[in-house]
Amino acid sequence: AQTVTQSQPEMSVQEAETVTLSCTYDTSESDYYLFWYKQPPSRQMILVIRQEAYKQQNATENRFSVNFQKAAKSFSLKISDSQLGDAAMYFCAYRSGPNTGTASKLTFGTGTRLQVTL
Amino acid sequence: DAGVTQSPTHLIKTRGQQVTLRCSPKSGHDTVSWYQQALGQGPQFIFQYYEEEERQRGNFPDRFSGHQFPNYSSELNVNALLLGDSALYLCASSLNLSPNRLYEQYFGPGTRLTVT
Repeated sequence: AQTVTQSQPEMSVQEAETVTLSCTYDTSESDYYLFWYKQPPSRQMILVIRQEAYKQQNATENRFSVNFQKAAKSFSLKISDSQLGDAAMYFCAYRSGPNTGTASKLTFGTGTRLQVTL
Repeated sequence: DAGVTQSPTHLIKTRGQQVTLRCSPKSGHDTVSWYQQALGQGPQFIFQYYEEEERQRGNFPDRFSGHQFPNYSSELNVNALLLGDSALYLCASSLNLSPNRLYEQYFGPGTRLTVT
């Protein structure tokens, strides 16, 4: 079974600064996907960024980028130029690849609460 | 483009009662997954429906059951409610055969269930 670990329960960043959220995972699979989701107080889980394990290049979406270290099974999220609207819970999630014979369930970490201060 | 919708938003039930939660997937999606998110925790996978069948199930008792309709919408039923069933229930939709291998799941706003 796959596991996802987020070791930072809370993080704080000043507006306009950069913050990195950590995530590690454990799997014996070679084909999988990793995601970062944001959950603001409104509760709606919003997809932030996606990484496919077979791709070497780190994914980037505007101010959000990841550092994917496949050998180390590490998948951190970097938020640049932090904004007040970035304050939320951030969850790292794992999905098996389509050829593993399992359905597309997501396995989530316990989350990191990000505070953004002025 | 309508996103994932869930109803009701909030629900209060008594121990032993039964509850039904509803989900309509994002337009074009054919697969619905249900997750339970306890306070302060990450979502836990309950089960997934595709082609009106349960395709995979997480570690949840048989009191949790579901259904998918021909229009791809889904229901989650919980019988004999326990205090520990109090949680946010999230529905996520996706496309089973995702083009470009995107395999993204889009979540609804959730239903907050309180069992007293």
